[in-house]
Amino acid sequence: QKEVEQDPGPLSVPEGAIVSLNCTYSNSAFQYFMWYRQYSRKGPELLMYTYSSGNKEDGRFTAQVDKSSKYISLFIRDSQPSDSATYLCAMVPMDSSYKLIFGSGTRLLVRP
Amino acid sequence: DAGVIQSPRHEVTEMGQEVTLRCKPISGHDYLFWYRQTMMRGLELLIYFNNNVPIDDSGMPEDRFSAKMPNASFSTLKIQPSEPRDSAVYFCASSTPTGGSYNEQFFGPGTRLTVL
Repeated sequence: QKEVEQDPGPLSVPEGAIVSLNCTYSNSAFQYFMWYRQYSRKGPELLMYTYSSGNKEDGRFTAQVDKSSKYISLFIRDSQPSDSATYLCAMVPMDSSYKLIFGSGTRLLVRP
Repeated sequence: DAGVIQSPRHEVTEMGQEVTLRCKPISGHDYLFWYRQTMMRGLELLIYFNNNVPIDDSGMPEDRFSAKMPNASFSTLKIQPSEPRDSAVYFCASSTPTGGSYNEQFFGPGTRLTVL
């Protein structure tokens, strides 16, 4: 079993929809939780990160962490065609602040 | 800033050949990471350096893989001999402590390697 599980999709939604992307994990030692966005043929870029449990909002994006359930989510409001990309969750364990463990990524397609 | 630079962007080689991938981190960054991305295994950390010294190479799959960082502005990942199962996109990333709670890693555009 992988440490971080993520549904690969693809997820296809109409423009303006609310998108929910999720990851589950098994290692309770994870302390930082990140979402990276990767456009086709590009490297991943950091979208948001949260420390421990709770919510964090940045414009149309909201990240949620539920450590008791080992579950994290990324919500995208008013989705745009430019949001079409692969979204990877990533986590950092307590013993190594540089060792990112990635989910496999969810492909998102926002239809105009 | 030019960002992380990787070369070549694409590499096609035959099984058994030596492959060398190159990376130039962002100037001033003292951490450098090599990742491999495949459909089956996703994005995996292979090795990372701090101040040119390898810190954790536990993700390097086999002895056929080696990485060096001779100076702060250059790193190589070498595969010798290459095998078809090494076909993947290889990313380099760099980072530096900012005094904040998390130190972002900045990724390069990747090298798409195909081993025939």
